[in-house]
Amino acid sequence: ETGVTQSPTHLIKTRGQQVTLRCSSQSGHNTVSWYQQALGQGPQFIFQYYREEENGRGNFPPRFSGLQFPNYSSELNVNALELDDSALYLCASSLGDREVWTEAFFGQGTRLTVV
Amino acid sequence: RKEVEQDPGPFNVPEGATVAFNCTYSNSASQSFFWYRQDCRKEPKLLMSVYSSGNEDGRFTAQLNRASQYISLLIRDSKLSDSATYLCVVNGTSGTYKYIFGTGTRLKVLA
Repeated sequence: ETGVTQSPTHLIKTRGQQVTLRCSSQSGHNTVSWYQQALGQGPQFIFQYYREEENGRGNFPPRFSGLQFPNYSSELNVNALELDDSALYLCASSLGDREVWTEAFFGQGTRLTVV
Repeated sequence: RKEVEQDPGPFNVPEGATVAFNCTYSNSASQSFFWYRQDCRKEPKLLMSVYSSGNEDGRFTAQLNRASQYISLLIRDSKLSDSATYLCVVNGTSGTYKYIFGTGTRLKVLA
């Protein structure tokens, strides 16, 4: 087990709704990254939080937003859900200092279905 | 051109076979390289990091060729339990520990 936990594991939402996904990072890790994995594709980087601040963002619209808390857990929020947002959302935890990071360990993911 | 390219497969091989996966990446400034394994509907799990000198972990050998921007994974004596998708991963942007994934190569080991 990696020690990275995500909740919920599965979720069904209606188009236009909002969703919040949660991630608890591995003990001692200060960096959380979020990825979206569509069926048959590799994970795509959404954004990263390092010490409670956004530290890089992928090619996702502003309706994808996030937070990192003082205990380094994190949330991913998606507003105005679209059918194409249906995917596995993965959280990855690592330890870094802005120059060097340890390998990232993934949570089990949240499978989001938008209908 | 995709930043990380892999042959999606599937590779269907008999038990005991040796199989090799290849991956190319476009950003010559990339600094870290990994192979992750992903089972169906599960999260990716780190299989091994990849170093310029090459590295081996049991039946698995990974190689990095920076000049050709090419990464490989060799699996010897394939087991049924090796059936999974193998993801080539590159981290290339300093200041942000962002993983860039290939689409993955599916391996099915047949009895």
